[in-house]
Amino acid sequence: EAAVTQSPRNKVTVTGGNVTLSCRQTNSHNYMYWYRQDTGHGLRLIHYSYGAGNLQIGDVPDGYKATRTTQEDFFLLLELASPSQTSLYFCASSDRGGSYEQYFGPGTRLTVL
Amino acid sequence: GQQVQQSPTSLVLQEGENAELQCNFSTSLNSMQWFYQRPGGSLVSVFYNPSGTKQSGRLTSTTVIKERRSSLHISSSQITDSGTYLCAMVSNNRIFFGDGTQLVVKP
Repeated sequence: EAAVTQSPRNKVTVTGGNVTLSCRQTNSHNYMYWYRQDTGHGLRLIHYSYGAGNLQIGDVPDGYKATRTTQEDFFLLLELASPSQTSLYFCASSDRGGSYEQYFGPGTRLTVL
Repeated sequence: GQQVQQSPTSLVLQEGENAELQCNFSTSLNSMQWFYQRPGGSLVSVFYNPSGTKQSGRLTSTTVIKERRSSLHISSSQITDSGTYLCAMVSNNRIFFGDGTQLVVKP
């Protein structure tokens, strides 16, 4: 089974602060995703990538940058954090070969004061 | 518009009762997946079920691609089944999540 890890698990920052969320998957999956989840909502796609150096825009990209440095590592960057970005963030990966089964990390709870 | 509609939005059961959760899709889909989210927040894949019926213990998932729907049946519910159940569909290389069904199982 795919292993997806995220760090940090919890983060508190102030408005205007810089935040980097990290995700690593160790199952050689090509696709990686960043989602946010807010109370009363399902998951909303921020950015995704189908390989190192690739970045695709999701449904709610404003205020977020992302970078895929290797096949294993995908980072989400908040350069000027705002309270509206307080949320639960999930990273996921999936295999490219016709299967879209998603494997999720444990989540990062971000609070922007 | 909302690509994935889940129903009901919430459900309260007495332990031992059965539950049927529904997912309807507004567009054609390639595959779908059911997730369970614990009250602490982590997501667990319950079923990856592109089509047909799959069973795992007390859980059964049935997906009918042509009718753009999937269901999750929980039999003999237990208190530990409490949490949120999310469905997600894949369509044209995009993944869309429903808003979830919050299940509470009472003793």
